[in-house]
Amino acid sequence: KNEVEQSPQNLTAQEGEFITINCSYSVGISALHWLQQHPGGGIVSLFMLSSGKKKHGRLIATINIQEKHSSLHITASHPRDSAVYICAVRHEKLTFGTGTRLTIIP
Amino acid sequence: NAGVTQTPKFQVLKTGQSMTLQCAQDMNHEYMSWYRQDPGMGLRLIHYSVGAGITDQGEVPNGYNVSRSTTEDFPLRLLSAAPSQTSVYFCASSDRAVYGSYNSPLHFGNGTRLTVT
Repeated sequence: KNEVEQSPQNLTAQEGEFITINCSYSVGISALHWLQQHPGGGIVSLFMLSSGKKKHGRLIATINIQEKHSSLHITASHPRDSAVYICAVRHEKLTFGTGTRLTIIP
Repeated sequence: NAGVTQTPKFQVLKTGQSMTLQCAQDMNHEYMSWYRQDPGMGLRLIHYSVGAGITDQGEVPNGYNVSRSTTEDFPLRLLSAAPSQTSVYFCASSDRAVYGSYNSPLHFGNGTRLTVT
């Protein structure tokens, strides 16, 4: 069974700080998704990647297939980045992590 | 472009009642799916469909039925609601199946918060 572990579970930081959220998984995968769930509940797809690194604005996602690990970085964090960030990996099916709750304090 | 539309946003049911959660997408996506989200657990797949007329079970299908008569719509039916079905339900779609050899971003609806008393 593919397990997906995210760390930390909760993260509180000051506005402007560099944020890192980690995702580890246990079996070989073909793709990894990073999702953002807003306080209102809606879920948005941020990245889908299978190797290397992707960047969109202040968000950067990296993946190391050999180490079975991915990181989501947020540069110059802002209170509007406060959300739950969810990692999901595709092996035979999509398996979701339980999420990292990020709170950015002004 | 509305994306994925879920209704209702909130619903309270009594044990034994039935209801249908609606999901519609206007992106002509082949793949549609239903998930439930419970505290402390990741999203879990209930049922999915890879095209009109084709549905299959996910990880937690018991107590739920689905149908896919059109590409746009994928309703989820609770046959006889139980307190264990209290959860937040999400519908999601993509333009390729996320199983098999396809990879594509998922588009989520805004969720339905269901309480069964």
